[in-house]
Amino acid sequence: DSGVTQTPKHLITATGQRVTLRCSPRSGDLSVYWYQQSLDQGLQFLIQYYNGEERAKGNILERFSAQQFPDLHSELNLSSLELGDSALYFCASSVETGGRHEQYFGPGTRLTVT
Amino acid sequence: AQKVTQAQTEISVVEKEDVTLDCVYETRDTTYYLFWYKQPPSGELVFLIRRNSFDEQNEISGRYSWNFQKSTSSFNFTITASQVVDSAVYFCALNSGIGETSGSRLTFGEGTQLTVNP
Repeated sequence: DSGVTQTPKHLITATGQRVTLRCSPRSGDLSVYWYQQSLDQGLQFLIQYYNGEERAKGNILERFSAQQFPDLHSELNLSSLELGDSALYFCASSVETGGRHEQYFGPGTRLTVT
Repeated sequence: AQKVTQAQTEISVVEKEDVTLDCVYETRDTTYYLFWYKQPPSGELVFLIRRNSFDEQNEISGRYSWNFQKSTSSFNFTITASQVVDSAVYFCALNSGIGETSGSRLTFGEGTQLTVNP
C-alpha cells in the first residue's frame, strides 16, 4: 500500500458526460501528479500540482482539468467524454517537486466510456 | 525531448532462471533520474528503485540488481532466481526536473511483460 488513495476504483459512463476523479496524496507529500495509462498511448504524464499550484503540464486535453485543494487532495475533471478517454488514470504523490523525489502511485481509477 | 525505450515487449522464463530487462534512455539534460516500477496483475504501480545520473554504481537489493551505464544510456534490471511472483509488467522511467522548484514528470518506457512459469 503506497499510502495514495484514489476514488472511485471503477467508473463507467457514457460519451459526452463529465466525471471527477479524486486523489489523496501520502501524508506529508506536497506534490500530486496525474497519469493516464491506455493500450495505445502507454503511460503518459498529464499534469502536476505542487502545494496548490500547477507546476508542470503534459499532453493533457483541453477537455480535462485538475486542481489541488488546500488540504492537498486533488481532483481530475474529464468532460465531453469520448470512447478514446477510456483508460486507467493514476494519481501519484511525492514529498516535494523536482526529479529526484520518487513518485508513489495510487491504485488507479479505471474509466470506461461507452 | 526525453525518451525511454524498452525493446523487449514480452519475456517468458522458467522459475529460478535469471532474467535481464533492458532500458535505454535519451535526454539532453546532464542531471537526471532513472526509475524502475513494477505493475503486477492487480494493476498498481510499485516503485522499485531510483538512480541519479551522476552515480554509476551498480546496486543490488536481494534478488534484484541494476546496471547503470551512462556511456550507453542504459539502465538494465536483472532478477536473479526468478519466482512466479515476479510476473508483472516492468516500467523504466526518466525524470529530469532537477530543481527543487521546477516541475517534475516521469517519462515511461513501453513496459516489459515478464512471465515466470513454474
